[in-house]
Amino acid sequence: SQTIHQWPATLVQPVGSPLSLECTVEGTSNPNLYWYRQAAGRGLQLLFYSVGIGQISSEVPQNLSASRPQDRQFILSSKKLLLSDSGFYLCAWSVIRAGGRDTQYFGPGTRLTVL
Amino acid sequence: QKEVEQNSGPLSVPEGAIASLNCTYSDRGSQSFFWYRQYSGKSPELIMFIYSNGDKEDGRFTAQLNKASQYVSLLIRDSQPSDSATYLCAVNMPPESILTGGGNKLTFGTGTQLKVEL
Repeated sequence: SQTIHQWPATLVQPVGSPLSLECTVEGTSNPNLYWYRQAAGRGLQLLFYSVGIGQISSEVPQNLSASRPQDRQFILSSKKLLLSDSGFYLCAWSVIRAGGRDTQYFGPGTRLTVL
Repeated sequence: QKEVEQNSGPLSVPEGAIASLNCTYSDRGSQSFFWYRQYSGKSPELIMFIYSNGDKEDGRFTAQLNKASQYVSLLIRDSQPSDSATYLCAVNMPPESILTGGGNKLTFGTGTQLKVEL
């Protein structure tokens, strides 16, 4: 069965510091990978998605970036955090099935607080 | 702008009752529809998906889709206190976008908070 991991689970960082969040998937090959952010009291916002190694699409212009160095690894980074970067960061994976349909499954998330 | 709308609630129902959660979407080309359950402080968990008009049942959950009216609903029968959570509706872009390498994007509603009271 497939498993998705995220770490760290919680993180408190000062404004202006760098960020690196990691997501790995086990039990599947060539998944689509996604980074979402959920701010307090708000909906899920898609930040980045990737259909393969080195292929990253950005949905929202901001001070965050993403990379996919391996098939089942997805990294979210920032050089300088802003207060507005606080939120619940969720990684998700999916596999395209017949008919182009697929289903996204979420990891446990990383709760980031920027002070 | 593709939108997915949900009533934020809270929706309060007594234990054992039927909870009805509704969602409307703006993109007529949408093909796939999902319901996720999110407990406070936790990540969303997929509970149902539906692709075709009509009803789809899975245990105590029934998803209903009406593409002509552009709404999807989730019914929870015999509601339990453990069903208390926020329910997120998500809508997928048409498959054609996947074939062109555009990835598979979900648009989420802001969720409806359900409270099942003893």
